[in-house]
Amino acid sequence: GAGVSQSPSNKVTEKGKDVELRCDPISGHTALYWYRQSLGQGLEFLIYFQGNSAPDKSGLPSDRFSAERTGGSVSTLTIQRTQQEDSAVYLCASSSGQGLTEAFFGQGTRLTVV
Amino acid sequence: KQEVTQIPAALSVPEGENLVLNCSFTDSAIYNLQWFRQDPGKGLTSLLLIQSSQREQTSGRLNASLDKSSGRSTLYIAASQPGDSATYLCAVRQYFGSGNTGKLIFGQGTTLQVKP
Repeated sequence: GAGVSQSPSNKVTEKGKDVELRCDPISGHTALYWYRQSLGQGLEFLIYFQGNSAPDKSGLPSDRFSAERTGGSVSTLTIQRTQQEDSAVYLCASSSGQGLTEAFFGQGTRLTVV
Repeated sequence: KQEVTQIPAALSVPEGENLVLNCSFTDSAIYNLQWFRQDPGKGLTSLLLIQSSQREQTSGRLNASLDKSSGRSTLYIAASQPGDSATYLCAVRQYFGSGNTGKLIFGQGTTLQVKP
């Protein structure tokens, strides 16, 4: 596709379950970012991938959160043992040119933990 | 640690008015700055990207300026329309090195309402 694609668009899960959120970046983009936006709040950085470099994981809130990027393309954000405070919109973005060019965002995954 | 601040948090103007949104950042060692808009329940749409060597960028009725030395950027919207109603976010990207990576650091946003 032409843009960043995220799936699912909505996810409702029970507290304690694991969830996986997927991000398909724009083809050829070397940088990929994950952010979280809680209701009425700003964007909270989670993790940043750039090419083959070690990812910047400094924003992951706990060890229940992890992310992978396979083959330099698709990324999966995994949240283990979900808690109600994990409820938020998870946004993914990608950019090209060593990640220093314009970043484009997907529509997000709205996660609700009940 | 880089901090990005946007003032005001909310703004309501009548249709047709020209307006300015402000973004300030504490560390001037940035690579570029990007302005986004976010409609309710949607993702972010990129509006303008300004490299650190640039002073301004224009797209249609939008003009973004950057004064890196003072840590400020403004987004000017000319002849505002109800369709401009959204939340506007600015984000900076710092130079690599010294513990910094290419992540975008966001402000909290300015929510704009343009009344018909």
